[in-house]
Amino acid sequence: QVQLVESGGGVVQSGRSLRISCAGSGFPFSNHAIHWVRQAPGKGLEWVAVISYDGITKYYADSVEGRFTISRDNSKNTLYLQMNNLRADDTAVYYCAREPYLVVGVATFYFDYWGQGTLVTVSS
Amino acid sequence: QSALTQPASVSGSPGQSITISCTGTSSDIGDYNYVSWYQQHPGKAPKLMIYEVSNRPSGVPDRFSGSKSGNTASLTISGLQAEDEADYYCNSYRRPSSYVFGSATKVTVL
Repeated sequence: QVQLVESGGGVVQSGRSLRISCAGSGFPFSNHAIHWVRQAPGKGLEWVAVISYDGITKYYADSVEGRFTISRDNSKNTLYLQMNNLRADDTAVYYCAREPYLVVGVATFYFDYWGQGTLVTVSS
Repeated sequence: QSALTQPASVSGSPGQSITISCTGTSSDIGDYNYVSWYQQHPGKAPKLMIYEVSNRPSGVPDRFSGSKSGNTASLTISGLQAEDEADYYCNSYRRPSSYVFGSATKVTVL
């Protein structure tokens, strides 16, 4: 069955860096675009970033542009989010979410499977 | 990047129908049929309920339906059941190359 498992969250000081991961299994990982979505405690969902199936195309939310980098290693079926210069308002549960496809490389614009999330807490 | 606008809460009795609205702009909902809806129970990951405005994934009950008119999308739950009590989020593609969620609607089954 399709599984997405995030890891690497924790407590980090403001201004520092952290890298979180998302391991996929049960599906052809290298065929899917994958997104990061976050949710601050008690708040709503916020889209963070997306990476294409081949890792070439990447888009970011304005709130993280220039500080966060999304990447993937298809040989390891793993997605990453490198977060630099972290701020208190980056505190959130970070979910990875799969975008389905009909044709590889053609966007479908929604998220059909989600991981359980990893909590990142930025302390000041 | 401003969120799509949803009512903070909607409630109904078991068996009733409720509708959740999601208002965007001509840069997102108004110009694309890429609206999706997600259900989230407390402490759980979101679950896809509707995609491309009105399509239901397999396994989602047919009491969930979606529609769109202009810059506003809607999710209707017919025959409300206790397990439908959750937070609901709309999402849309927004040009150029980002996505935006709604502000969340808490559905309460009375």
